[in-house]
Amino acid sequence: DADVTQTPRNRITKTGKRIMLECSQTKGHDRMYWYRQDPGLGLRLIYYSFDVKDINKGEISDGYSVSRQAQAKFSLSLESAIPNQTALYFCATSDTTGADEQFFGPGTRLTVL
Amino acid sequence: AQSVTQPDIHITVSEGASLELRCNYSYGATPYLFWYVQSPGQGLQLLLKYFSGDTLVQGIKGFEAEFKRSQSSFNLRKPSVHWSDAAEYFCAVGGAYNNDMRFGAGTRLTVKP
Repeated sequence: DADVTQTPRNRITKTGKRIMLECSQTKGHDRMYWYRQDPGLGLRLIYYSFDVKDINKGEISDGYSVSRQAQAKFSLSLESAIPNQTALYFCATSDTTGADEQFFGPGTRLTVL
Repeated sequence: AQSVTQPDIHITVSEGASLELRCNYSYGATPYLFWYVQSPGQGLQLLLKYFSGDTLVQGIKGFEAEFKRSQSSFNLRKPSVHWSDAAEYFCAVGGAYNNDMRFGAGTRLTVKP
């Protein structure tokens, strides 16, 4: 079984809808991250969490919110989706320090019409 | 804030030829440098990383990278490319206490038969 899983893998939604992307990990890591990937821009950090009680904004947090329900679960929400949030979203985990390798999920392709 | 530049958006090489992918970074302290590979439809997988010590680091799949502090570069190399190396490659920079890792925009590698 994969160490980092994301659901759904693909989602099409309409402008103004609320949507939640979910991430689960079995690696036992404290740190979890949400990124979005856009062509020509690479990956940009949306939010990251050091542990269940610690959540931090990343480079592009506007329009997004997160919830860390447990060590293993980290959800990303779009409260009111807009077309420019169409992207590929990745969840990742890492062990103790920022310099550790990050382990990525397979991604969620989100399309906002 | 740290940043990463990958000057080449797309590179095409023949199978069996050598490969070098360029990466330049900007970081105010000792950088922690990474190369990740993303195969089509997949998440990112770590190829190699540099924290300290020997400036030539070996990774998986026959890749290596050299850290050159004077040039702020961390270029990825492979002596002989295989068709299975076709993918997108991302350079990333972070720090020991900085959990805001920054990724480059990526270089897409095409391998000709």
